[in-house]
Order: sequence, then C-alpha cells, then structure tokens
Amino acid sequence: EDKVVQSPLSLVVHEGDTVTLNCSYEVTNFRSLLWYKQEKKAPTFLFMLTSSGIEKKSGRLSSILDKKELFSILNITATQTGDSAVYLCAVDQAGTALIFGKGTTLSVSS
Amino acid sequence: GAGVSQTPSNKVTEKGKYVELRCDPISGHTALYWYRQSLGQGPEFLIYFQGTGAADDSGLPNDRFFAVRPEGSVSTLKIQRTERGDSAVYLCASSPKLGGEQFFGPGTRLTVL
Repeated sequence: EDKVVQSPLSLVVHEGDTVTLNCSYEVTNFRSLLWYKQEKKAPTFLFMLTSSGIEKKSGRLSSILDKKELFSILNITATQTGDSAVYLCAVDQAGTALIFGKGTTLSVSS
Repeated sequence: GAGVSQTPSNKVTEKGKYVELRCDPISGHTALYWYRQSLGQGPEFLIYFQGTGAADDSGLPNDRFFAVRPEGSVSTLKIQRTERGDSAVYLCASSPKLGGEQFFGPGTRLTVL
C-alpha cells in the first residue's frame, strides 16, 4: 500500500531555533515530492523535488530529496512565530493525485 | 491573479440531507482535484478531472459522492444522504497540467449534525 509518513507529528520550539522535519515514502510510480505549509485551511506550496541530492532553498527554508533511501527533509532556520503551522509532505504518483502524510504541527514560541 | 475559490466556506447540514460544494479553479488550469481532510490528518484524494472528464474517481468513498465539471472549469462535489462521518474540510486544487504543482483553495468545512 502506498504511504507517506511524516515525523515528528508535532514539535514545539523557541524562536531562533532550527528545525528539521522528516518525510519518508513508499509509493509506486513516484514522480515528485512536494512540501506544503497549512496555516488555516488552504495548503500553500513550498517546494517540489524531483531529483536526489539537489537542495531547494527559499529564504530560511530548504529541502532535499533522497530517492535511494526514499525520504526528504525540510529545514527551517532561525524560526519565527509566523512559521507556526502544519507542514504537509505529499508524493505525486505518476502525475495524478497527491498522497499526503499526516503532517507535522510546528509551534514556535516567542 | 485570483486563486482557487470554494463556496460555501462553511456548511452545516443535518444527517440525510443533500449538499453541493463548489470549486472555481484558477483560470486556464485544466486539472482539478478534490480532497477531503479530517482533523489531524493530511488531505485524502477523492477525484480528479482533466478537462471535463473524471480521469480518476477511485478515492470517492462510496456512491453517495459524485462530482462534475461540465464545462471544464467550475466543479461541484455532490454528497447525497449525508452522514456524520462525512464531516470534514473538503479541499479543491487546480493545476495547469497533470503532474504540476497543485494550488489549493481555502476549503469548505462541512459539518453533518
């Protein structure tokens, strides 16, 4: 059965800390892995990863994919309270629907 | 430009009633997806359209659920004889093509009493 597993499920940190969120997957017909940030209802796109070992960066956020070990990490440096959200990992299976993990709930305290 | 919009934002109904949830995708996006998200879970795929046709409806939980996209733009998710277990946030997403980044709408929170 296809699955995407995220860890930890929740995380509480202080402003300024660096966090690493994990996503492992077992999916047939893998095409790409995506990270989304969900603050209220609508998940907003962060990264799409298709190739192993190539880091994608956007400000304080970065992500990398390992297609051999079937996992990805999302790093957030110098966390801010505005980073508090649920971070969703999803796998695009053969260009069709996304298979999501349960998400990691990040809480950043000031 | 305008993003994906969904109406209503909240819907409260009684068990056994019929509901329709609407999704307006980003203009020009040919692929449209419906997901359902229960509390504490990631979104779960329901159905997707490429143009007007349902390319894959394997995620629909049973025959009470149906979705249409008659003109290849707006889509409606229809739920008959609602049950309390149908309570969830229903998310719609669109993409310029299959396999591209999906842009999500704000969702409709459905509560079945």
